[in-house]
Amino acid sequence: QKEVEQDPGPLSVPEGAIVSLNCTYSNSAFQYFMWYRQYSRKGPELLMYTYSSGNKEDGRFTAQVDKSSKYISLFIRDSQPSDSATYLCAMSADGYIPTFGRGTSLIVHP
Amino acid sequence: GAVVSQHPSRVICKSGTSVKIECRSLDFQATTMFWYRQFPKKSLMLMATSNEGSKATYEQGVEKDKFLINHASLTLSTLTVTSAHPEDSSFYICSAYLQGKGTDTQYFGPGTRLTVL
Repeated sequence: QKEVEQDPGPLSVPEGAIVSLNCTYSNSAFQYFMWYRQYSRKGPELLMYTYSSGNKEDGRFTAQVDKSSKYISLFIRDSQPSDSATYLCAMSADGYIPTFGRGTSLIVHP
Repeated sequence: GAVVSQHPSRVICKSGTSVKIECRSLDFQATTMFWYRQFPKKSLMLMATSNEGSKATYEQGVEKDKFLINHASLTLSTLTVTSAHPEDSSFYICSAYLQGKGTDTQYFGPGTRLTVL
């Protein structure tokens, strides 16, 4: 079993839809949870950063962490074509070197 | 804030030549930078951790004589792919670790696409 599991997709949704992206993990020591967005041929861009459990909201993005289930989610409201990208979850025990998921490819079509 | 640049963004070279990639933190100092490799539709693979003023720490399976890393200042790390071969063709991404701003994490550069002919 990989430390971090993430469905690669692609996930295709119509513009305006609510998108749910998820990762599961096996290492109970993980305390720091991140979501990165990566456009094609570009480096990852930090979207959300969460320490321990709970929710965090930033504009149209909401990150949720459920440590008891070892499950994290990223929700995107009112999705736009410009949200089309690969979304990588990442997590670490010390906030230093994260373990990445393989990324989920999201396509938002007009 | 927390901007990281890489140069060049793309490079094509002949087999057997060496290629140097630069990674710069533009608006912060980074004692630690990281080098990753990414294959198409795959996640990031950590190659090495670059520490300013000391030798880099390489991940298992990464040849340190093949991938030379120099972290000469708090804002610059370089990766040199020596005697490049077609199998070295990949997307190389660096990151810089920013600590103390409430979001202690890595910030990534835009990546360098290396093609070895």
